[in-house]
Amino acid sequence: SQKIEQNSEALNIQEGKTATLTCNYTNYSPAYLQWYRQDPGRGPVFLLLIRENEKEKRKERLKVTFDTTLKQSLFHITASQPADSATYLCALPHFKTIFGAGTRLFVKA
Amino acid sequence: DTGVSQDPRHKITKRGQNVTFRCDPISEHNRLYWYRQTLGQGPEFLTYFQNEAQLEKSRLLSDRFSAERPKGSFSTLEIQRTEQGDSAMYLCASSETGATEAFFGQGTRLTVV
Repeated sequence: SQKIEQNSEALNIQEGKTATLTCNYTNYSPAYLQWYRQDPGRGPVFLLLIRENEKEKRKERLKVTFDTTLKQSLFHITASQPADSATYLCALPHFKTIFGAGTRLFVKA
Repeated sequence: DTGVSQDPRHKITKRGQNVTFRCDPISEHNRLYWYRQTLGQGPEFLTYFQNEAQLEKSRLLSDRFSAERPKGSFSTLEIQRTEQGDSAMYLCASSETGATEAFFGQGTRLTVV
């Protein structure tokens, strides 16, 4: 069955640094991959989508890469801010969306 | 507010009781999804509707769970004879057919005591 792995350890970084989160998947060849942000007690919010024929996608301070050979996506937040502290979920489409467990990011001022 | 709306936001119930949650999707969205999320995990798919038709149900959705979307607009999720293991956040999302982005509601936090 399809499996998505995200780093279960929380990521703690200093404000202004770049945060890098990893998403690995197995038994799947998705046409695209999505990243969502989730704040405590709230539903996920869509951030970015990257397609299988795209190596990199950017949106403001966010950058996503997609390596279909490694079956891996990297999610970067540059010039991180305390307001970026949240859980970031990787998601793959399958007639319904499959989510990873998420990585909790803490940005210290 | 034209986002996805869920009601109630929080529900505490005693084991064995029935509970019902409501989801109002974004009005022009014909797809509606229900997910369940426990602490430290990502959302797990439960079921989805295309208009009023329920097209897929996860094996997670035992026979104590039932979902409806009678007129293709709002949806309800009912859990009968609740168990402590049903304690979770129940999330609803909606999208247009073929869209890659789903919009989530704030969720209903269920606690079974």
